[in-house]
Amino acid sequence: EIVLTQSPGTLALSPGERATLSCRASQSVGKNYLAWYQQKPGQAPRLLINGASTRATGISDRFSGSGSGTDFTLTISRLEPGDSAVYYCQQYATSPLTFGGGTKVEIK
Amino acid sequence: EVQLEESGGGLVQPGGSLRLSCAGTGFTFSGHWMNWVRQAPGRGLEWVANIKQDGSEKYYTDSVKGRFTITRDNAEKSAFLQMNSLRAEDTAVYYCASGWGWLIENWGQGTLVTVSS
Repeated sequence: EIVLTQSPGTLALSPGERATLSCRASQSVGKNYLAWYQQKPGQAPRLLINGASTRATGISDRFSGSGSGTDFTLTISRLEPGDSAVYYCQQYATSPLTFGGGTKVEIK
Repeated sequence: EVQLEESGGGLVQPGGSLRLSCAGTGFTFSGHWMNWVRQAPGRGLEWVANIKQDGSEKYYTDSVKGRFTITRDNAEKSAFLQMNSLRAEDTAVYYCASGWGWLIENWGQGTLVTVSS
């Protein structure tokens, strides 16, 4: 099983700043099959990024993904109040599919 | 617009059974893998199971193997999760989700399952 470790646990930033979220895998994620999801309180998750760096349909270009192998990053530029949420990485290369523990982004 | 609607959640006693249903509209249901993902109260996301387009392949997380069964009915555009021998630790919101291959693209709003005496 691929274990995904996300850091930091919580990130508190001001509007306009840039957020950098990390996701580290216990072994290489094949074909960089790594996705990022955003989940706001009381809502279902929403796909942001797939294939480590491809934005999903309708996702703002303020969201970008990078990385390969075992180290991946989600960057949110020019933070807005609506970006307040928990962000999860997930690998879909190997069964069982696994999620990271999440990073909570708070907007001051 | 892709829509996934779960039903069947509720309160069940430990050791009991429950069957969740997921109705899909707005997309070619038979062309997508279907998944169940759960989220315990205040916790993160946990993938539970998925099923291939034609039902020929099914995968489960270890903690539910032998207790949960995922199925689908393409004619009815529905997926199901039969849950037996339920435990307190199965308490969670259960999301139905669809996608190409194993990528999870679209999610329902979830249905709450509570296992308690």
